[in-house]
Amino acid sequence: QPVLTQSSSASASLGSSVKLTCTLSSGHIRYIIAWHQQQPGKAPRYLMKLEGSGSYNKGSGVPDRFSGSSSGADYYLTISNFQSEDEADYYCETWDSNTRVFGGGTKLTVL
Amino acid sequence: QVQLVQSGAEVKKPGASVKVSCKVSGYTLTELPMHWVRQAPGKGLEWMGGFDPVDGETIYAQKIQGRVIMTADTSTDTAYMELRSLGSQDTAVYYCATGRGYFAPIDYWGQGTLVTVSS
Repeated sequence: QPVLTQSSSASASLGSSVKLTCTLSSGHIRYIIAWHQQQPGKAPRYLMKLEGSGSYNKGSGVPDRFSGSSSGADYYLTISNFQSEDEADYYCETWDSNTRVFGGGTKLTVL
Repeated sequence: QVQLVQSGAEVKKPGASVKVSCKVSGYTLTELPMHWVRQAPGKGLEWMGGFDPVDGETIYAQKIQGRVIMTADTSTDTAYMELRSLGSQDTAVYYCATGRGYFAPIDYWGQGTLVTVSS
């Protein structure tokens, strides 16, 4: 089954750009993944679907400052003009015919 | 727009069972895949299983298979997740979640139901 690996933490200054990484296990090629945001005390929120080609589709109401890209086994979520409300946990998700998996999550904080 | 509204918090004793509900609105339940995901305190998201309405099959995560049953009442558009033989490790927030297809991202989440297992 696929495995998704994320750094446990990251930080960014307000107004800066930050790039989070989700790495897909070897042998799993060009999977589609999704990014989710979980603000403290809230349910996760779907941000976008991201394909191995780098093409992405965002969910309804997701601000323009969120974008996605990919390179090989690495899938990225970039937040431009980082805002205080973007301080949250970010999870990547993927699936195959037998299971669905999440990365361990990245806690993103303000520097 | 899909909305998922879950039942309220539960406190259970070790060895008991819990049944969490998830009411769907905006779509009918027969059109939607339904996943259950849980999150232990301070931990990440863990997929428990999901129902595919296309083939009518439910797949459970290996770790929890045998203790969980996912069902649905299509007359009320309500999905259920029952977890048996509860232990302290089952203390978590339980989410129902759905998407545009079983093999598609989750793009709607319920608000979550806290289940606390304590003697």
